[in-house]
Amino acid sequence: QKEVEQNSGPLSVPEGAIASLNCTYSDRVSQSFFWYRQYSGKSPELIMSIYSNGDKEDGRFTAQLNKASQYVSLLIRDSQPSDSATYLCAVGNNNDMRFGAGTRLTVKP
Amino acid sequence: EPEVTQTPSHQVTQMGQEVILRCVPISNHLYFYWYRQILGQKVEFLVSFYNNEISEKSEIFDDQFSVERPDGSNFTLKIRSTKLEDSAMYFCASRSQNHGEAFFGQGTRLTVV
Repeated sequence: QKEVEQNSGPLSVPEGAIASLNCTYSDRVSQSFFWYRQYSGKSPELIMSIYSNGDKEDGRFTAQLNKASQYVSLLIRDSQPSDSATYLCAVGNNNDMRFGAGTRLTVKP
Repeated sequence: EPEVTQTPSHQVTQMGQEVILRCVPISNHLYFYWYRQILGQKVEFLVSFYNNEISEKSEIFDDQFSVERPDGSNFTLKIRSTKLEDSAMYFCASRSQNHGEAFFGQGTRLTVV
């Protein structure tokens, strides 16, 4: 069974703070890792992809991957109220991509 | 900017009826997927499709479901005899290469009454 686990939250941070989102996965042969953002009633929107161990930065977002620990994280710096959404971790193998249940983030002004 | 397009945006059907959900993936993409999301629940993988055949399917994708790429642009999901529990948002996604970034359509909300 290919499991992707996330803390469901809700996670609440003040505007301007760093939000930290975590994800673990069970399938050791997973090769691709993604963070999506989903607003209520909308489709998942890709934020970042990461394929190698270490950090990857894109603007206010930093993804971190540790394959040995089967762990992926997303840091959002200088959080804004518009970042309030559910963040989905997705883990890909050869033929599929599975999602975690998502972490709901609220950024308070 | 290229995008994945799904039609219809909302479909209401009676239990036991067949429905076909349609998707137009991004034009140069080769890998196609269907997901569903029951209200308030997680995004669940249904099926992946490459080179005109199913690559992988989940335990949800039983004999009631089928997929097809009838021409060079459309990718369809058929549910043969809908059940109340099939009510959900259905998302189509595509990617240009295996392990690449997948982009989602806006979804079809299916309501079975």
